[in-house]
Amino acid sequence: EAAVTQSPRNKVAVTGGKVTLSCNQTNNHNNMYWYRQDTGHGLRLIHYSYGAGSTEKGDIPDGYKASRPSQENFSLILELATPSQTSVYFCASGGGGQNTLYFGAGTRLSVL
Amino acid sequence: QQKVQQSPESLIVPEGAMTSLNCTFSDSASQYFAWYRQHSGKAPKALMSIFSNGEKEEGRFTIHLNKASLHFSLHIRDSQPSDSALYLCAVSGTGYQNFYFGKGTSLTVIP
Repeated sequence: EAAVTQSPRNKVAVTGGKVTLSCNQTNNHNNMYWYRQDTGHGLRLIHYSYGAGSTEKGDIPDGYKASRPSQENFSLILELATPSQTSVYFCASGGGGQNTLYFGAGTRLSVL
Repeated sequence: QQKVQQSPESLIVPEGAMTSLNCTFSDSASQYFAWYRQHSGKAPKALMSIFSNGEKEEGRFTIHLNKASLHFSLHIRDSQPSDSALYLCAVSGTGYQNFYFGKGTSLTVIP
């Protein structure tokens, strides 16, 4: 089965600090996605990528940047973290020719 | 932008019951319809998907799609306590590039 690995699994950050969430997939999927999951909102798309070097804005990109330096790696960057960004973040790969999404285990981020 | 809505928000059923979960979507050009299951504290995992009108059965699970009604559903026969989870429906358009999820239905199966 497709393997998607996220790090860190848990993160506590201070308001105004920089946070980087990392995601690695070993299945050669072209597409990768970052979602956040909050009670009452479900999964919301932040950024996605069609391949190395590409990033696209999702539905809620404000306050987030993304980086796709290689086929395997996709990062989510919070330059100035705010308490409203406290959430669980999921990375996924798949889509395109591989229509199913495969999710990582998630990163629980708390911004104090 | 695609709107995906699920009902009910939560459901409690006895073991052995038939469970029905619903999902509506707004874009009639959508081409991929799927259910994901997420156990507490875990990642969402694809359960089953369908691309054309009709039904598809896999074990105790059946997915039914009616594109004209902008509606698809998941039916779980002989529900088990291990089925207790958050069920998320997902919809995607041409090329399966963007996936839109509903807010989820929390299912609890009581032994």
